[in-house]
Amino acid sequence: QVKLVQSGAEVKKPGASVKVSCKASGYTFTNYNFAWVRQAPGRGLEYMGWIGLNSGDTSYEEKFRGRLTLTTDTSTNLAYMELRSLTSDDTAVYYCARCFYYENSPGDDAFDIWGQGTLVTVSS
Amino acid sequence: QSALTQPASVSGSPGQSITISCTGTNSDFGGYNFVSWYQQHPGEVPKLIIFEVSNRPSGVSSRFSGSKSGNTASLTISGLQAEDEADYYCSSYTIFSTVLFGGGTKVTVL
Repeated sequence: QVKLVQSGAEVKKPGASVKVSCKASGYTFTNYNFAWVRQAPGRGLEYMGWIGLNSGDTSYEEKFRGRLTLTTDTSTNLAYMELRSLTSDDTAVYYCARCFYYENSPGDDAFDIWGQGTLVTVSS
Repeated sequence: QSALTQPASVSGSPGQSITISCTGTNSDFGGYNFVSWYQQHPGEVPKLIIFEVSNRPSGVSSRFSGSKSGNTASLTISGLQAEDEADYYCSSYTIFSTVLFGGGTKVTVL
């Protein structure tokens, strides 16, 4: 069974950093890229960035550049999202998502498998 | 970039068809046909229901169909059922090689 299991909820103070992990199972980890998407309470989905498993390339949405780092560990089938300099606006559920591969796909435009989400609360 | 524009809510009776629009700019769609749609029930994770404008992943009901004309993409749900009540999000692959989501549409089955 293909699934992504994320680490548990976090509570952080403003200015701190958070690192969320995402464990993949049920498929060949290096065959698919990963993206991270967040959803603030009662709000819509917001794309954060993407990491290529084979290339190690990353691409970050402009608003997160400089404080977001996406990494993977192919030996343990883990993907990580680290966000620094947190503010209350970063309070959200953070999702890892597998990039859906299909013919003609640019490799990171659609997401077919999602983690269960990790709630990150930023509060003083 | 601002989110793609979707209506906040759409409603319909069981058996009817409804259409959700998703509007953006030339840059938002990048001249590509890389538009996806996601369904999200309350408290659940998003589910991919349409990719590449009009293709359905395996296992997704044929009642869901997608199209695109210019800078407006659309999702049509035919034969509306109670289980279709959810939030729906469009997304596009932009000219900047990033993904942009719509603001979401709440579908209510009357």
